[in-house]
Amino acid sequence: AQKITQTQPGMFVQEKEAVTLDCTYDTSDPSYGLFWYKQPSSGEMIFLIYQGSYDQQNATEGRYSLNFQKARKSANLVISASQLGDSAMYFCAMREVAGNNRKLIWGLGTSLAVNP
Amino acid sequence: DVKVTQSSRYLVKRTGEKVFLECVQDMDHENMFWYRQDPGLGLRLIYFSYDVKMKEKGDIPEGYSVSREKKERFSLILESASTNQTSMYLCASSSNRGLMNTEAFFGQGTRLTVV
Repeated sequence: AQKITQTQPGMFVQEKEAVTLDCTYDTSDPSYGLFWYKQPSSGEMIFLIYQGSYDQQNATEGRYSLNFQKARKSANLVISASQLGDSAMYFCAMREVAGNNRKLIWGLGTSLAVNP
Repeated sequence: DVKVTQSSRYLVKRTGEKVFLECVQDMDHENMFWYRQDPGLGLRLIYFSYDVKMKEKGDIPEGYSVSREKKERFSLILESASTNQTSMYLCASSSNRGLMNTEAFFGQGTRLTVV
């Protein structure tokens, strides 16, 4: 069963505006980590931000922040002040402690287009 | 900087050929992964390895094998390439130094076309 759901196949945003990319997850394990990656058209996956299930604060990394709502099992990525270079695919992923914690479980991704 | 390097960016092979995709990482990571990525299907795990000479099947291992003779190198082998293996192949590595917050680092990807 799919454990990471990204409901937005594609999103558009105007340059300099903020955008939220949705991610919901399903796990019965209390210990897990959530990751966001960016994949530009060049193909390489770039790590953006991490949120642990026990972290008290929402993670932030520069223009990226994570809106973590544990009770709702959502970990939405917020990009502030969008730039043309933010146009890319964005993937949400989860690692659970139980079982084999070396693997990441991936969502299907959201394609973001930033309009000038 | 962590570097994960895949041997080819683009590859065209004929049906039935044996194909080797090589991946090398320079950060002494224990774990290495091979994914394939197809439009609408996201990233699907083919095989992974958590130690030298160790391997585990991922979600779609059929038609593939792997080799990890040295810690830094993880090879994906298509024993007899078929057109349905035309895809983007991504290699990744990660460390075991922390339980949860160790991100995976990716190579630049190999776009394989089987004709």
